[in-house]
Amino acid sequence: DAKTTQPTSMDCAEGRAANLPCNHSTISGNEYVYWYRQIHSQGPQYIIHGLKNNETNEMASLIITEDRKSSTLILPHATLRDTAVYYCIVRVNTGNQFYFGTGTSLTVIP
Amino acid sequence: NAGVTQTPKFQVLKTGQSMTLQCAQDMNHEYMSWYRQDPGMGLRLIHYSVGAGITDQGEVPNGYNVSRSTTEDFPLRLLSAAPSQTSVYFCASSPPPGQSNQPQHFGDGTRLSIL
Repeated sequence: DAKTTQPTSMDCAEGRAANLPCNHSTISGNEYVYWYRQIHSQGPQYIIHGLKNNETNEMASLIITEDRKSSTLILPHATLRDTAVYYCIVRVNTGNQFYFGTGTSLTVIP
Repeated sequence: NAGVTQTPKFQVLKTGQSMTLQCAQDMNHEYMSWYRQDPGMGLRLIHYSVGAGITDQGEVPNGYNVSRSTTEDFPLRLLSAAPSQTSVYFCASSPPPGQSNQPQHFGDGTRLSIL
């Protein structure tokens, strides 16, 4: 049970912002939202996570709606190296279970 | 700092053979997990551990065994390999979620083919 819904694929022009949506309408109050990406068949790479507030780091920004039922990952200036599958995951604060869905395949176009 | 190390990187087995996929981490993480990833799909949790001596089943545990005798190591055993277990296997580790909810760190994967 992945608990999240993401579009199957998206395109983004190089240099533009990539906005990747995620629906997690059944999220519980103690569940965090995590974003990972996977390039080719490498191990997933952590991007960012949050609970209620918006978060920003050197890679991306995470915008979580006030009702926490959805979120958006923003890559501010997409490059060709950002082409990957992006996974949105919810994780119980007390558990070790990360449930990956099928993710969004992002293609950055030159 | 090596992070999460998985061995071997590639393996071919015959149906019915057994083998152990190794996973080691040097970050003193209490939590460790095993996932499998089939072509075109996301990762699915096989087994996980919240500390030495403690393991539990994930989404797809059938056909696999795990043990956790040390904090560093979390081997995954295939008891009798079947073609349906052909997949890429990833190991991951993290501190307990209470510690700032630090993310999982993943290994580079083991690509396993069962003939």
